[in-house]
Amino acid sequence: DAGVIQSPRHEVTEMGQEVTLRCKPISGHNSLFWYRQTMMRGLELLIYFNNNVPIDDSGMPEDRFSAKMPNASFSTLKIQPSEPRDSAVYFCASSSAVKSPLHFGNGTRLTVT
Amino acid sequence: AQSVSQHNHHVILSEAASLELGCNYSYGGTVNLFWYVQYPGQHLQLLLKYFSGDPLVKGIKGFEAEFIKSKFSFNLRKPSVQWSDTAEYFCAVNGNAGNMLTFGGGTRLMVKP
Repeated sequence: DAGVIQSPRHEVTEMGQEVTLRCKPISGHNSLFWYRQTMMRGLELLIYFNNNVPIDDSGMPEDRFSAKMPNASFSTLKIQPSEPRDSAVYFCASSSAVKSPLHFGNGTRLTVT
Repeated sequence: AQSVSQHNHHVILSEAASLELGCNYSYGGTVNLFWYVQYPGQHLQLLLKYFSGDPLVKGIKGFEAEFIKSKFSFNLRKPSVQWSDTAEYFCAVNGNAGNMLTFGGGTRLMVKP
């Protein structure tokens, strides 16, 4: 079991550029979550999918953020255009069933200058 | 809506001291409760979980937590901390029919050797 795999581990980009974060959940898990972690706001749930379908995206900060899950083994979180206040660690997590514990990836540390 | 409060933002202890981290949640129905730990520079890992049954739950690394329904609390304890317990600890609750986990703001624990 390779765990939840996120890429890249680090991303540094300039304001205005498009950023795409990637996540591969644990095989067989049918729920996938995107979280953002900052010192100021802690852990925030951005969006979660169940069986590839977005269930709750109320945490997505604004239209600049979008997430997709084209199949059970891949999801992306895109920010376009990026802004310095988007700088954070973005975690992807997956779980196997309703109310099961989450398994987190190692995160992507995003820095927007 | 469900919410989680962790009242201690920072805790500093000496090795061998006892630990108790507070967690209170607000949700009127049946809940599942979790504690996650995040070691410096790493992703969140599950420490322990409560679904039902014995309200005193034992987790990894000597941690335990007690669910007190009347107080809406799920405090984390460890009788004797070690330097390696230095980390951030997150309480989380899932009270919905779906899979949405709400995290508390986290408590940073520093254990002095």
